[in-house]
Formats: sequence, structure tokens, C-alpha cells
Amino acid sequence: AQKITQTQPGMFVQEKEAVTLDCTYDTSDQSYGLFWYKQPSSGEMIFLIYQGSYDEQNATEGRYSLNFQKARKSANLVISASQLGDSAMYFCAMREGRGSGNTGKLIFGQGTTLQVKP
Amino acid sequence: NAGVTQTPKFRILKIGQSMTLQCTQDMNHNYMYWYRQDPGMGLKLIYYSVGAGITDKGEVPNGYNVSRSTTEDFPLRLELAAPSQTSVYFCASSGTTVAFYGYTFGSGTRLTVV
Repeated sequence: AQKITQTQPGMFVQEKEAVTLDCTYDTSDQSYGLFWYKQPSSGEMIFLIYQGSYDEQNATEGRYSLNFQKARKSANLVISASQLGDSAMYFCAMREGRGSGNTGKLIFGQGTTLQVKP
Repeated sequence: NAGVTQTPKFRILKIGQSMTLQCTQDMNHNYMYWYRQDPGMGLKLIYYSVGAGITDKGEVPNGYNVSRSTTEDFPLRLELAAPSQTSVYFCASSGTTVAFYGYTFGSGTRLTVV
């Protein structure tokens, strides 16, 4: 069965430092996509970054990068130069498959709460 | 602004009551989804639709029903509300299969069943 695991319920980081949020996944599909979403205390879901299973380069979006290790089935989110506004819950998610039969369903991990200290 | 609109934002229901959570998107997305998020947890898929007239069950469909008569609308119906349905409900949509780079989420509906 497909599964996403985030083993860190909560994390602290000092402002301006980098932090890594862990995510491992399990799938038998060869084609899949991995996502990270941010959920601040206001509750909305904000898309951060995407990595396709066939992408050779690690995805980057501004201060966010995704450390994709396919053999280990891990897709860790790295946030550089943390800011107070980064305090939020972060979810890793996986979409399986591509093409006309794809339903686009996402499976979400349990989330990691990140607190940035001034 | 273009996006996914959910109504209501908050609702309190009594046990046994019914209600419909509304979801509308104006991006002409074929794919729409309903998720629920229990406190401190991730999102779980209730129902989804790959186009008008087509719906299918997700991971936790019991106690819910959906319909998709138009591309824009994807309402979620709760019949005989139970305390276990207390949750935050998110509607989301996505474009073509080629560009599955993330959902557009609605702002959520916080439902309490007492």
C-alpha cells in the first residue's frame, strides 16, 4: 500500500538557520510525484515545492529545496535561512502515476510542526 | 479572484442533522477532491471526481455523499451527522493530467458536531 511517513511531530529551529523536515514514502509505482505543503495557523494549504520521480535534479523554489533520494525513498524538505513566518505545519504528500488513467489523488503524511525561534 | 470557494467557513451541527458543504471552482479544472483533516493530523481523501458526472470514493467515504453535475461545482453532503465527523474539510481542484503539480485548495470548512 502507498504510504507517506513524517516521523518528526515537532521541530524547532533558530531564526536564520537551515532546517530539514523528513519524509519517507512507499510505493510500487515507477512514476509518481512528491509535494510539500505549508499550513500556517490560519489553516490554508499552501503549495511549496514539487518533485517528479523521473526528475534528475532536486527541486528548488526560493528558500525551499527538496532532497530527493530515490533509492532510499525519501523526499526531505530543506528550508534555508528560516524566518519567523515559516512557523507552521508542513505536510509531505505523494501522487501516484501519470497519464490518462491518473486520478491525481494525493496521499498526505501526518505533518511536522515547525517553530522558528527569534 | 480565481480559485476554489468553499462555504460555509464554520458550522455547528447537532447529531443526526444533515448539511451540504459547497465547493465551486472557476479554473475549469476537471479534477476535484474532498479531504478531511482531523486535529493535528494529515488530510484524508473522502471523495473525488475526474470530471462532470464522475465521482468515486476515497479513503474515508462513509457518512458522506457527493455529486458533480457541472465542472464548477462539487458539493459534499453529510447525512445523519455524528461527532466523528467533527473535522476541517478541504475542497481542492487540479488541472490536466499532464500538469499535476499541485492542487488549488479552498480555505476550508470547520465543522463541529455536538
